Amino acid sequence: GAVVSQHPSRVICKSGTSVKIECRSLDFQATTMFWYRQFPKKSLMLMATSNEGSKATYEQGVEKDKFLINHASLTLSTLTVTSAHPEDSSFYICSAPHGLAGTNEQFFGPGTRLTVL
Amino acid sequence: GDSVTQMEGPVTLSEEAFLTINCTYTATGYPSLFWYVQYPGEGLQLLLKATKADDKGSNKGFEATYRKETTSFHLEKGSVQVSDSAVYFCALREYGNKLVFGAGTILRVKS
Repeated sequence: GAVVSQHPSRVICKSGTSVKIECRSLDFQATTMFWYRQFPKKSLMLMATSNEGSKATYEQGVEKDKFLINHASLTLSTLTVTSAHPEDSSFYICSAPHGLAGTNEQFFGPGTRLTVL
Repeated sequence: GDSVTQMEGPVTLSEEAFLTINCTYTATGYPSLFWYVQYPGEGLQLLLKATKADDKGSNKGFEATYRKETTSFHLEKGSVQVSDSAVYFCALREYGNKLVFGAGTILRVKS
C-alpha cells in the first residue's frame, strides 16, 4: 500500500519558538494532504486541507497565522507551528488520499508528538 | 454537521472473546463509513469500509454492517487475539476526501 511518512516523530521545543513538521507521500503523488490534531483520549480533529499550488483550507476555529501550511510539492506538505505555547502540545497527524477518484483511501502518517515547554 | 459517536473505552477482553465496538453517526446525506485501527507507535490504517446501506465491510476477521435505519456501523470480531490490541476509530466521509472521526476506542486483549 501507499506510504506516508512524517518527520520528526517527536519534538520538544521552548515556548515562543516555531516548529516545522513534514509530511511526505513516499510512493505516490498527492495534490491534497490533510493535517489533524489528536488530543489525549479524543478524536482526530481536522485542522486544514493542504493544497498543492494553492492556499491551504483551514477548518473553523483553526488559526491560519498560528499553523502555517505549505504544500511545497506533490509529495511534501509542511505544518509550521509558529510561536508555540504549551497549549499547542499535541499529536499531529497527516494523511494523503491515493487511488481512484471517489473511492480513494486515506493513508496516514505515523504522527508527530509535539511538546512545548 | 456530521458527527460520529463510538463507545468509550478502554475495552478489556480475554483472548478468543467476542468483540463489539459500537459506532453511530449523524450525517445529512449518505456517507461512506470506515473503521481505522492504530497500533502502538504506528499511523492509522484502514481496517474496513462500507459505501452504502446494508454493505458489510470485512477484514482480518473483523466485520461491520452499514445500517442506515439505525445510523450505525458497529465493529465485531468473533474471537480476538492479543495482537488486536490497538485503538479503533470509526469514521465517515460524506463529501470529497474529508473524514470525520469518532473519539476512538482502546482495545486491550489479555492472554
